[in-house]
Amino acid sequence: DAGVIQSPRHEVTEMGQEVTLRCKPISGHDYLFWYRQTMMRGLELLIYFNNNVPIDDSGMPEDRFSAKMPNASFSTLKIQPSEPRDSAVYFCASRSLADTYTGELFFGEGSRLTVL
Amino acid sequence: AQSVTQLGSHVSVSEGALVLLRCNYSSSVPPYLFWYVQYPNQGLQLLLKYTTGATLVKGINGFEAEFKKSETSFHLTKPSAHMSDAAEYFCAVVGGGGNKLTFGTGTQLKVEL
Repeated sequence: DAGVIQSPRHEVTEMGQEVTLRCKPISGHDYLFWYRQTMMRGLELLIYFNNNVPIDDSGMPEDRFSAKMPNASFSTLKIQPSEPRDSAVYFCASRSLADTYTGELFFGEGSRLTVL
Repeated sequence: AQSVTQLGSHVSVSEGALVLLRCNYSSSVPPYLFWYVQYPNQGLQLLLKYTTGATLVKGINGFEAEFKKSETSFHLTKPSAHMSDAAEYFCAVVGGGGNKLTFGTGTQLKVEL
């Protein structure tokens, strides 16, 4: 398996623009997670899905952020409009149902977003 | 709610020296604890985990950690540091019904010649 695939790896945009980050989880994994990593706040869980359904979005910072998972093999995280404080590395991770509590998350390599 | 605290945001050791990265947890239930490693420009990967059973757990690359309930600790150690160990290390605990992995703030390990 190719692992969790994220795109783009790097994105530079201007304030006010829409940003869409994409994730392809590992085939067969039931859970998908979106994390954000910054120097100031560390790793924060934004939202997670189970079988394509959003379960907990309490970490989403504000209405400018939205996430979807239209099918088991694809998820997007959208920021509209983007602001400089959204600059961060965004990680997608997945795992299987069998690994609840005991299992590991498989992380993608991240999407580094810079908002000017 | 479960949480973890990592003491020391930066640790520097000489190659061949002992590595000790500290993690303390807070949990109202028996915790499931993890150490993840992040190499530059990469995602996180699992080093080792404690769920139940043996309190000394071994992971990849010669790392191990010991769960000490009396001290609410889960410190990560490696007897002899290698240059390739330079990375950021995150302690984590499971909460939220088993679905939420809460990470510590991370410890950047530097290995010097």
